[in-house]
Amino acid sequence: DVVMTQSPLSLPVTLGQPASISCRSSQSLVHSDGNTYLNWFQQRPGQSPRRLIYKLSNRESGVPDRFSGSGSGADFTLKISRVEAEDVGVYYCMQAIHWPWTFGQGTKVEIK
Amino acid sequence: EVQLVESGGGLVQPGGSLRLSCEASGFIFSSYSMSWVRQAPGKGLEWVSYISSSRSAIYYADSVKGRFTISRDNARNSLWLQMNSLRAEDTAVYYCARGQGGDWGQGTLVTVSS
Repeated sequence: DVVMTQSPLSLPVTLGQPASISCRSSQSLVHSDGNTYLNWFQQRPGQSPRRLIYKLSNRESGVPDRFSGSGSGADFTLKISRVEAEDVGVYYCMQAIHWPWTFGQGTKVEIK
Repeated sequence: EVQLVESGGGLVQPGGSLRLSCEASGFIFSSYSMSWVRQAPGKGLEWVSYISSSRSAIYYADSVKGRFTISRDNARNSLWLQMNSLRAEDTAVYYCARGQGGDWGQGTLVTVSS
């Protein structure tokens, strides 16, 4: 199985400051169609997961533009340009090119 | 508005069976692959099973292979997960998800305990 490794696992942030989460995969996530099948999810406390970013860097409709995804091959980053209180929760990266699709361990974002 | 509504969870004894359902609305169900994803209490996410839009491709996680069966009926906009030989480690909230997780239901809790 493809192993997805996130860091850090806990991320205390100050409101209004930037935040960055790293995700590394044990195999390349680049498909022959040219797309990189790496997604990012947010799970707020007590809620279902919500996809923020799909295919590496495409933001879902309704997702604030302070969220951005980047990276290449097997090394990826989710950035929040200015953290807001509603961003508290757990963030997961997920690969959708090799079955079984696999998630990272999750990064818990909290406000300092 | 896309809606995915799971049902069928509950308390079951080890070795027992449950059938989870997911009713979909707000999109053309027959055009999308669907999946079941679970989350054990206080833990991360695990993709359990996948079924393509036409049912031509079906996959299972090794942890459930041979015990769980995914199915769908495009005429009824419905997805199911038949779970047999349940174990304590299957205890989790089970979500149905559209495509590669573009939309999720609210989840249904399955507890396997004697």
